[in-house]
Amino acid sequence: QQQVKQSPQSLIVQKGGISIINCAYENTAFDYFPWYQQFPGKGPALLIAIRPDVSEKKEGRFTISFNKSAKQFSLHIMDSQPGDSATYFCAANSLGADKLIFGTGTRLQVFP
Amino acid sequence: DAGVTQSPTHLIKTRGQQVTLRCSPKSGHDTVSWYQQALGQGPQFIFQYYEEEERQRGNFPDRFSGHQFPNYSSELNVNALLLGDSALYLCASSLMASGTDTQYFGPGTRLTVL
Repeated sequence: QQQVKQSPQSLIVQKGGISIINCAYENTAFDYFPWYQQFPGKGPALLIAIRPDVSEKKEGRFTISFNKSAKQFSLHIMDSQPGDSATYFCAANSLGADKLIFGTGTRLQVFP
Repeated sequence: DAGVTQSPTHLIKTRGQQVTLRCSPKSGHDTVSWYQQALGQGPQFIFQYYEEEERQRGNFPDRFSGHQFPNYSSELNVNALLLGDSALYLCASSLMASGTDTQYFGPGTRLTVL
């Protein structure tokens, strides 16, 4: 029940295309859903996050879509660029739990 | 504004040894969480420190212990190292007053156990 399932494991997108990464969860107590971007040899960097009171949040080229009834959320990267090539992790947390539960990651490659 | 810093960057130990990893939180943050990231996996929560006390612990054995100092910096200690402890150890900081959901990660310490 504590798991966050992430797909796909890897994704290849052409420059200018849309990258979509999906996550699903079981624990209905989760109320915070961040996405992290990680480059090789670096720590995860917070990209964008959402709470269940909204269905979508957009920051620049990055958008989170959230479906509370389906217990799913996704990251959309518009106009994907080669510099977006990295591993992306979804995560979830519940109020007062203090620990982030991470998905298994998606390796994104954007080709020019 | 300094972000989360960790030291050392890399570390090589042999089985049975002990290791200490260090973390300084982002300026203004008072809470430190530690995560273990095995190769090709997402980070796994080890424990969190606030006000120099362990607040919550993940599913890790007692060989993993920690400490937080009055200046909010933290140490992670691992005793009796096993080959399976080889991983990237990440420190994340947050501010308790604003909720500890939003966590900022350091660059990590790569531990290799031979």
